Amino acid sequence: EAGVAQSPRYKIIEKRQSVAFWCNPISGHATLYWYQQILGQGPKLLIQFQNNGVVDDSQLPKDRFSAERLKGVDSTLKIQPAKLEDSAVYLCASSPLPLAGGQHEQYFGPGTRLTVT
Amino acid sequence: AQSVAQPEDQVNVAEGNPLTVKCTYSVSGNPYLFWYVQYPNRGLQFLLKYITGDNLVKGSYGFEAEFNKSQTSFHLKKPSALVSDSALYFCAVSAPYGNNRLAFGKGNQVVVIP
Repeated sequence: EAGVAQSPRYKIIEKRQSVAFWCNPISGHATLYWYQQILGQGPKLLIQFQNNGVVDDSQLPKDRFSAERLKGVDSTLKIQPAKLEDSAVYLCASSPLPLAGGQHEQYFGPGTRLTVT
Repeated sequence: AQSVAQPEDQVNVAEGNPLTVKCTYSVSGNPYLFWYVQYPNRGLQFLLKYITGDNLVKGSYGFEAEFNKSQTSFHLKKPSALVSDSALYFCAVSAPYGNNRLAFGKGNQVVVIP
């Protein structure tokens, strides 16, 4: 089966500019996640969707970050305006609906490496 | 909130020797525990998980992990390391309630020396 697709793979922007990332999850996966991975750290969840509804966005800096998942499939993550500290890899992941009494593993895309200068 | 500690920044091991990557966790209730591996310029790949049942979990590429509730640990092991196992390894934990948010450790760089 095809994996999680992300684009672009790399992006360089100046601070105060805006940027958008796109993610196409594995077909049939109801849950979609966006993570931020700063160099030397583990991924940090930014937002979690189930179908086209937001489940968890408690760690999303809502003054500058936004995300949407129209029609419960593809998703976009936007940063406007970008700051130097936003330089990171942005990972998208997907998984099937949660199990009762268990949890599916997440399948990750290759990520978008953002450099803010 | 749940959290993971991976105390070592880098693990060096000779090819053919046993490999151990340490992980301890903190969570309210029984944990769901995961190991992922990340190769350069790639996303994270799932290795194995513990949900319930047998404390010894077997996963991909010959890896296994042992859940120890009393020590709140979930160490990753491989009996004989390969050079191709050189990568970044992440331990993650979630709680069995709420939205199952995963908390990742900072990762361990594993270097297998030929």
